[in-house]
Amino acid sequence: EIVLTQSPATLSLSPGERATLSCRASQSVSSSLDWYQQKPGQAPRLLIYDASNRATGIPDRVSGSGSGTDFTLTINSLEPEDFAVYYCQHRSMWPYSFGQGTKLEIK
Amino acid sequence: QVQLVQSGAEVKKPGASVKVSCKASGYTFTGHYIHWVRQAPGQGLEWMGCINPNSGATHYAQRFQGRVTMTRDTSISTAYLELNRLRSDDTAVFYCAREVNWFVPWGQGTLVTVSS
Repeated sequence: EIVLTQSPATLSLSPGERATLSCRASQSVSSSLDWYQQKPGQAPRLLIYDASNRATGIPDRVSGSGSGTDFTLTINSLEPEDFAVYYCQHRSMWPYSFGQGTKLEIK
Repeated sequence: QVQLVQSGAEVKKPGASVKVSCKASGYTFTGHYIHWVRQAPGQGLEWMGCINPNSGATHYAQRFQGRVTMTRDTSISTAYLELNRLRSDDTAVFYCAREVNWFVPWGQGTLVTVSS
């Protein structure tokens, strides 16, 4: 089973700053890695698929990079609506799994 | 538009079973896997497994093997999650999601509360 480790657990930043979130896989997942945003009381929403492709409607200040075992989600010029919990998820093989999440909070 | 609509909240006693439904619309139901994800209060997302609506084949996470059953009814474009021998730590929101390689869309979630 592939384990995804996200860091940091919590990231405290101010609007306008840049957020850099990390996701590390216990073995290679190639580019089969997606990022989701979740706000309180809502279902997760797809942000990035295949490690670096923005989903429909996601602004270009949100970007993903990486392949193999190390992945990064970057959000430039943080807006108030960006403060949420972010999860990475692999679909390289069964079983799929999620990282434990990074909470992006307002400083 | 593509949509997944889940059944309403449930309250169950320990040891009971729960069956959650996920009705799909706006696309060909048999064309995409349906996945189920659990989220305990204040916790992260946990992949439970998935079903191929075309064949009925399933893949379950090891920790739920023997306690979970995923089924579908293609005549009404609906997938089901059944979880047996419920415990208090099964209290969670359960989500279904369509896989188009990635997960989109997600259902709105179904809260299952297990309490004596």
